[in-house]
Amino acid sequence: QKEVEQNSGPLSVPEGAIASLNCTYSDRVSQSFFWYRQYSGKSPELIMSIYSNGDKEDGRFTAQLNKASQYVSLLIRDSQPSDSATYLCAVHSASKIIFGSGTRLSIRP
Amino acid sequence: DGGITQSPKYLFRKEGQNVTLSCEQNLNHDAMYWYRQDPGQGLRLIYYSQIVNDFQKGDIAEGYSVSREKKESFPLTVTSAQKNPTAFYLCASSTSPSYEQYFGPGTRLTVT
Repeated sequence: QKEVEQNSGPLSVPEGAIASLNCTYSDRVSQSFFWYRQYSGKSPELIMSIYSNGDKEDGRFTAQLNKASQYVSLLIRDSQPSDSATYLCAVHSASKIIFGSGTRLSIRP
Repeated sequence: DGGITQSPKYLFRKEGQNVTLSCEQNLNHDAMYWYRQDPGQGLRLIYYSQIVNDFQKGDIAEGYSVSREKKESFPLTVTSAQKNPTAFYLCASSTSPSYEQYFGPGTRLTVT
């Protein structure tokens, strides 16, 4: 079982709609969770971090964490073509950050 | 400007040669990391360092070596023992292991 799992996609969402990205993790004691955006050929860019259960909103982005279900998600409202990228979920586990393999998101006009 | 720099952006080497990738940060971060990313894949941890003069192997350390003589610098050497060195190499740093990591722009290494 992978430590951090994401659907590889591609996930295709119409412009202006909500994109929902999901991630599950295996380490029950993890306390820190992150979402990164990576454009093709570029390095990952941190877009959200979340440390406690519930929702955390930042502009068009909302991170949701459910530690009991070992589940973290990212919602992108009013999706724009510039949101087309690969989104990496990352979880702190045993003194390291473990990255998922990413979900490729495509926003169609 | 605070940030992480990696050089060079592109690097070409012949098989059998060792090559050193540079990573410098001026964020005053204690922890630094090296990852490898292959096409269509996630990030795999090569080495990490939480303090100066100390570092630990990650998941794929074989064929690589690092040093951490200064807080700001964490160079990675890809040795001839690394069987498939062609990849995108990413350096990152963080205040501590449990906090956000920030990435440099990466070095794309091609070995032929």
